[in-house]
Amino acid sequence: KNEVEQSPQNLTAQEGEFITINCSYSVGISALHWLQQHPGGGIVSLFMLSSGKKKHGRLIATINIQEKHSSLHITASHPRDSAVYICAVPRETSGSRLTFGEGTQLTVNP
Amino acid sequence: GAGVSQSPSNKVTEKGKDVELRCDPISGHTALYWYRQRLGQGLEFLIYFQGNSAPDKSGLPSDRFSAERTGESVSTLTIQRTQQEDSAVYLCASSYIGPEAFFGQGTRLTVV
Repeated sequence: KNEVEQSPQNLTAQEGEFITINCSYSVGISALHWLQQHPGGGIVSLFMLSSGKKKHGRLIATINIQEKHSSLHITASHPRDSAVYICAVPRETSGSRLTFGEGTQLTVNP
Repeated sequence: GAGVSQSPSNKVTEKGKDVELRCDPISGHTALYWYRQRLGQGLEFLIYFQGNSAPDKSGLPSDRFSAERTGESVSTLTIQRTQQEDSAVYLCASSYIGPEAFFGQGTRLTVV
């Protein structure tokens, strides 16, 4: 069992749909990252959260520390949201190397 | 600079040649990480520098891989005698205190 598991692995949606990507982890963490990777390979950090919920534009991230689970939601999805979304957790509370989920390939069709 | 900068953005090299990849972290960031992502696979950790401490090299896949960092500045990742399985996107990230990391755009390495 991977330390960080994401679901689904692939997701296809129609423009405008509400999207949820889930992440479960088994290690103790201080914070969890949601990252976005576009086809060119570059990575953008979307959120880092340690409790509750964060919102940025159409993106919402939630985390439940007790259940070791986080979700990334995209409201009113758009084709430009098509990317790989990756959940990552640091191994130690002081900040260290990240352990990554396998990623969720999201395709939003017009 | 404003963000983590990596160079080159793309590199094509012949099998057996050595390559050097560069990462300029955000100024003042004490921690620097190298990761790689091979085609169709997830990100994997390579090496971690934290200040003047000995680096965590536990993720380096073979002795052909090495990395250096001078103080809290630039880092270079060197791959000697490249093999086709070294083809990947190599990502650098830096952080200051705590777990928040900032990523570069990566170097896409293709070994032909």
